Amino acid sequence: AQSVTQLDSQVPVFEEAPVELRCNYSSSVSVYLFWYVQYPNQGLQLLLKYLSGSTLVKGINGFEAEFNKSQTSFHLRKPSVHISDTAEYFCAVRRASGGYQKVTFGIGTKLQVIP
Amino acid sequence: EAQVTQNPRYLITVTGKKLTVTCSQNMNHEYMSWYRQDPGLGLRQIYYSMNVEVTDKGDVPEGYKVSRKEKRNFPLILESPSPNQTSLYFCASSLNAYNEQFFGPGTRLTVL
Repeated sequence: AQSVTQLDSQVPVFEEAPVELRCNYSSSVSVYLFWYVQYPNQGLQLLLKYLSGSTLVKGINGFEAEFNKSQTSFHLRKPSVHISDTAEYFCAVRRASGGYQKVTFGIGTKLQVIP
Repeated sequence: EAQVTQNPRYLITVTGKKLTVTCSQNMNHEYMSWYRQDPGLGLRQIYYSMNVEVTDKGDVPEGYKVSRKEKRNFPLILESPSPNQTSLYFCASSLNAYNEQFFGPGTRLTVL
């Protein structure tokens, strides 16, 4: 079975500063990786995903993530955050083969952007 | 507009009173799923459905039931709610089991 670890439960950062939200996964087989964002009082929406190909993935709102197979990581980055990025971010993993495979979510990282 | 809708958005009820949370999607998605979100635990899958009349248990199915009689609807049923089912519930759908999921706005349930 796969697992996901989000190392930081909360990350405060000043507006216009860069941010990195960390995600590590564990799986014995190839995986698909996702980052979702949850704004206050809303459902989750997809930020970006890695299925195959280039290890640097660009998503919406200026976010990007890099898949590192050797370190089993998929950290999310943004070079300059805005107040509107204040939200909770979830990393998720799914096995890439073997028929139906459920998605496992991390516990989430709350990003607080300080004016 | 492509969307997943849930009703009600907020619900306060008492122990043992049966309730249903509805979920509907207008994207002709095959795969649908229910999650609960609790502080410090992230999202945990309750049940999922690969298609009409095909459902299976997720990680935390105890105390819940689902049905999938039509492709667009996937209601979550709590036959006898208990306080430990107080949570934020999300319905999600995807084209199939391999694509990203689209989430509903959530249902905040309180069981007294």
